Amino acid sequence: AQKVTQAQTEISVVEKEDVTLDCVYETRDTTYYLFWYKQPPSGELVFLIRRNSFDEQNEISGRYSWNFQKSTSSFNFTITASQVVDSAVYFCALSEATGTASKLTFGTGTRLQVTL
Amino acid sequence: EAGVTQSPTHLIKTRGQQATLRCSPISGHTSVYWYQQALGLGLQFLLWYDEGEERNRGNFPPRFSGRQFPNYSSELNVNALELEDSALYLCASSFKGTFTDTQYFGPGTRLTVL
Repeated sequence: AQKVTQAQTEISVVEKEDVTLDCVYETRDTTYYLFWYKQPPSGELVFLIRRNSFDEQNEISGRYSWNFQKSTSSFNFTITASQVVDSAVYFCALSEATGTASKLTFGTGTRLQVTL
Repeated sequence: EAGVTQSPTHLIKTRGQQATLRCSPISGHTSVYWYQQALGLGLQFLLWYDEGEERNRGNFPPRFSGRQFPNYSSELNVNALELEDSALYLCASSFKGTFTDTQYFGPGTRLTVL
C-alpha cells in the first residue's frame, strides 16, 4: 500500500530564513509520480511540482527547490529566503501506476508559518 | 484559462439532510476527482469520474455518491448527513485519468452539518 509521511507537523521561521519540508513515501511500484501542493488559508490546493520516479534530477525554480532521492524514498522541498506569503500548509502526494485507481495519496501536511 | 470551479462556497445543513456540491473542471479535462478534508483526518480520496463513469471510490459509505455530466462537470451528493461529514470538499480535474496526470484543484466547498 502506498503511504506518504510528512513528519513535520508545523514549522515556524522568520522571514528570509531557508526552510526545508520533508516528505518520505512508501510504494511497491517502480513507476510513480510525486507532487507538492500548497494550501493557503483560502483552502485551494495549488500545484507546485511533479516528479516521476525515473527523474532524479533536482530542480530549482526561483526560491523553490526540490530534492528527490529514490534511495531514501524522499522528496524534500526547500524554500530559500522565505516570505510571509509562503505561509501555508504544504502537502506531498504520491500517484502510482498499479491497479485501476487514479488518485493521489497525500501526506498529513506541514504547516509553515513565516513571521516578520 | 479558467481553473476548476466549485459551488457553493459554503453550505450549512442539518443532520439527516442531503447536500449537493458541484464542480466544473478545467476546459479540456475529462477526469474529475473528489476529496474530503476533514479536521484531523487529512485529505481523503472520495471519488473519481472519467468520461461520465465512476472509475474508483475511496473508503466511504454509499451515501456518498455523485455523477459526471456530458460536459464533464460533476456533482457530489451526500445523503443522510452526519455531523462528521463536516469538512472541506475539494474537487480536482486532470486532462486524462492516468496516474501521470497532474490534478488541479478548485477552491472547495465547506460543508457544515449542524
